[in-house]
Amino acid sequence: DAKTTQPPSMDCAEGRAANLPCNHSTISGNEYVYWYRQIHSQGPQYIIHGLKNNETNEMASLIITEDRKSSTLILPHATLRDTAVYYCIVIKGNDYKLSFGAGTTVTVRA
Amino acid sequence: DSGVTQTPKHLITATGQRVTLRCSPRSGDLSVYWYQQSLDQGLQFLIQYYNGEERAKGNILERFSAQQFPDLHSELNLSSLELGDSALYFCASSPRLAGKHTDTQYFGPGTRLTVL
Repeated sequence: DAKTTQPPSMDCAEGRAANLPCNHSTISGNEYVYWYRQIHSQGPQYIIHGLKNNETNEMASLIITEDRKSSTLILPHATLRDTAVYYCIVIKGNDYKLSFGAGTTVTVRA
Repeated sequence: DSGVTQTPKHLITATGQRVTLRCSPRSGDLSVYWYQQSLDQGLQFLIQYYNGEERAKGNILERFSAQQFPDLHSELNLSSLELGDSALYFCASSPRLAGKHTDTQYFGPGTRLTVL
């Protein structure tokens, strides 16, 4: 699976949009971009995934660049409950074994 | 609440011992996955079961084993425990057959294992 690179940490003001970048320059054509998050010591929680089109659900939006080498997760109105570690991973189309690295620690401040 | 339950929440034991971690998947989910999360290695896939049968193995040690029962709950058995086995162990479940990557995996709250 392609490797991803994320900033180790970022702060965000409550009520503002949080934009989380992820680089996956070695992504191949059959690999999907997935985002999960993990609130302190809880189980990981699925957020969103995409292949090449931008995606939106009730939690977030995912913007994937045209060359698919990077993506951005957008939390439109961050709340204190969004404070968590966010993981960007790429998974082959026929795979399901998740593996997380360090992720981005997002701290939402009042 | 994901609907996946895990027991116990915390487990403290000594080296050389054996423990059993239990997982109940979401109602109707047939696939169960076990993961280990440690500070130095992040989240690692261990093993997957579908409808009672083992479907895939990841980085699971020979000292570890698992099974899925007819009622679809699963157990992860860890034996001859070492200090390095201290970690969070998560169970996840999804509705369908292995390989359907678009099936969201729903994670339980985890079991924190401490080996002294």
